[in-house]
Amino acid sequence: SQKIEQNSEALNIQEGKTATLTCNYTNYSPAYLQWYRQDPGRGPVFLLLIRENEKEKRKERLKVTFDTTLKQSLFHITASQPADSATYLCALDRRAQKLVFGQGTRLTINP
Amino acid sequence: EAGVAQSPRYKIIEKRQSVAFWCNPISGHATLYWYQQILGQGPKLLIQFQNNGVVDDSQLPKDRFSAERLKGVDSTLKIQPAKLEDSAVYLCASSPTLGVPAVIQYFGAGTRLSVL
Repeated sequence: SQKIEQNSEALNIQEGKTATLTCNYTNYSPAYLQWYRQDPGRGPVFLLLIRENEKEKRKERLKVTFDTTLKQSLFHITASQPADSATYLCALDRRAQKLVFGQGTRLTINP
Repeated sequence: EAGVAQSPRYKIIEKRQSVAFWCNPISGHATLYWYQQILGQGPKLLIQFQNNGVVDDSQLPKDRFSAERLKGVDSTLKIQPAKLEDSAVYLCASSPTLGVPAVIQYFGAGTRLSVL
């Protein structure tokens, strides 16, 4: 059966360090993979999108990699700040305008 | 531009009662989605509309859930009768025109439903 797993429910990182979140999937062939941020009491907000033929995408302090052989995406936040604390969701996009979300990783950046 | 509007923000009902949620998408967005997000999980798609037609409702529990999108703009999601396991946040999202290969979805703040 199809499955999306994000590496852990919660991750605690010291301010200034790089946070790395993992998204693994099985039995999917996504055309795109997206990452969203969700704050408590809010809906998810789009951060980055990476296509199946792209290895890496960057936006300011954010970097996403996509390995279709390993069926894995890594999401990095460099020089992390307490304001980066949130839940991060990966989502697979299979060309039907439908997203399938992982369960999310709750990231806490400690001052 | 204004974001996706949802109301109410919170709703508490007893099991077997009915409840309705309302969503107003971003102006001009043809596609509208309803998701259910249970605490500690990612959003799960319930139904997807393209204008006022249903594209996918394969995960909508049709014996108790219904949704409509009249005139291709606003949408309502109804639960009747509610069960305890329906306690969740109901998120509405919209995205621009069909045919764009990779579509970013814009979410509302959601309605938190508690069924007692």
